[in-house]
Amino acid sequence: KAGVTQTPRYLIKTRGQQVTLSCSPISGHRSVSWYQQTPGQGLQFLFEYFSETQRNKGNFPGRFSGRQFSNSRSEMNVSTLELGDSALYLCASTPRGSSYNEQFFGPGTRLTVL
Amino acid sequence: AQTVTQSQPEMSVQEAETVTLSCTYDTSESDYYLFWYKQPPSRQMILVIRQEAYKQQNATENRFSVNFQKAAKSFSLKISDSQLGDAAMYFCAYKVVSGSRLTFGEGTQLTVNP
Repeated sequence: KAGVTQTPRYLIKTRGQQVTLSCSPISGHRSVSWYQQTPGQGLQFLFEYFSETQRNKGNFPGRFSGRQFSNSRSEMNVSTLELGDSALYLCASTPRGSSYNEQFFGPGTRLTVL
Repeated sequence: AQTVTQSQPEMSVQEAETVTLSCTYDTSESDYYLFWYKQPPSRQMILVIRQEAYKQQNATENRFSVNFQKAAKSFSLKISDSQLGDAAMYFCAYKVVSGSRLTFGEGTQLTVNP
């Protein structure tokens, strides 16, 4: 089975722009979670989607949004980019029925905001 | 709110030796999961080992084992016969049984010296 894929792997944007990141979960996985990783704040939970519905949300401003499609692929969008949004954005998918709700991570998208 | 603390920002070990990484957490929940993730320079998060809070027996995965002390809210990772490929950032993480959000510690950078 192919792992979690994220596109693009690297992205450079300027302040004020918006960006969309994509995540394709492992086949059969219906839950997708997003995390932001920065040197200062560490790994922080952004949100989780399951069956096209946001099921859980972290403490991030409304500029951060996401959605999930019927094929379980997910996108996250950041509008009006700020310098502090520079980070590694990780996506993780969870297999249905996993007693641990184990999350399988993708390689991440490195976003740089100039 | 749940918190996870890793008090060792950096650790080093000689190849073939044993090293223990520390993790403490704070929660009012009685049922939860604990994980150790490894993040090598490639940035891909890889699950190393997991522990269910209701299980008293410590989890073991080959050279990796944990010391889970529920009353003390401590969850340390022991790596035996360390290998060069073990060099990475290690994150301790917590998740309630009913939720999907992983709460991560700050991470411990492990160096393995030949």
